[in-house]
Amino acid sequence: IAGITQAPTSQILAAGRRMTLRCTQDMRHNAMYWYRQDLGLGLRLIHYSNTAGTTGKGEVPDGYSVSRANTDDFPLTLASAVPSQTSVYFCASSEGTGPYNEQFFGPGTRLTVL
Amino acid sequence: GQNIDQPTEMTATEGAIVQINCTYQTSGFNGLFWYQQHAGEAPTFLSYNVLDGLEEKGRFSSFLSRSKGYSYLLLKELQMKDSASYLCAVRDSNYQLIWGAGTKLIIKP
Repeated sequence: IAGITQAPTSQILAAGRRMTLRCTQDMRHNAMYWYRQDLGLGLRLIHYSNTAGTTGKGEVPDGYSVSRANTDDFPLTLASAVPSQTSVYFCASSEGTGPYNEQFFGPGTRLTVL
Repeated sequence: GQNIDQPTEMTATEGAIVQINCTYQTSGFNGLFWYQQHAGEAPTFLSYNVLDGLEEKGRFSSFLSRSKGYSYLLLKELQMKDSASYLCAVRDSNYQLIWGAGTKLIIKP
């Protein structure tokens, strides 16, 4: 069982280019999340999905979009990358959205926008 | 606004005990999580507290006081592999996790 996989592991991208970060989980979790992690800051929620077919905006959604066509996949798209989107991106999932539900994290994608 | 405060960095000695504090101000409270994150890796779950008191899990314990907006993570018998960042996160009234910036723990021999 792989848990959560993310691709690519790292990427250098020219500003203005479009980029999709992939995330797949095999735990049949209902909820999925995208975070970015920057030095000195806590994880910040970009978008989330409580169940397949639904998505919601987190704390920092501008410049990003997501889709949740099925349970397993939750891709994150940067329509036109900017240098401020240089960050480490983590995908996470949880069985549900109740208080106790811990989140499981993928290995992360390190993105550099030049 | 919502705020989670943790010390930026702490240093401790192998075999000793260390306490990492976390204070929070959030819109609502539905539990507090501690995660461990080794450099270059993903966060992994350590503990969850929703009621006041101490939760013990092996060498790690976590304490919560809801009235004080305060939690701590206690690590005993420190090992070199405990060198990592420790993240405090609170689940707010919208059931989203609000994360602290993390405490980098350095273990010295």
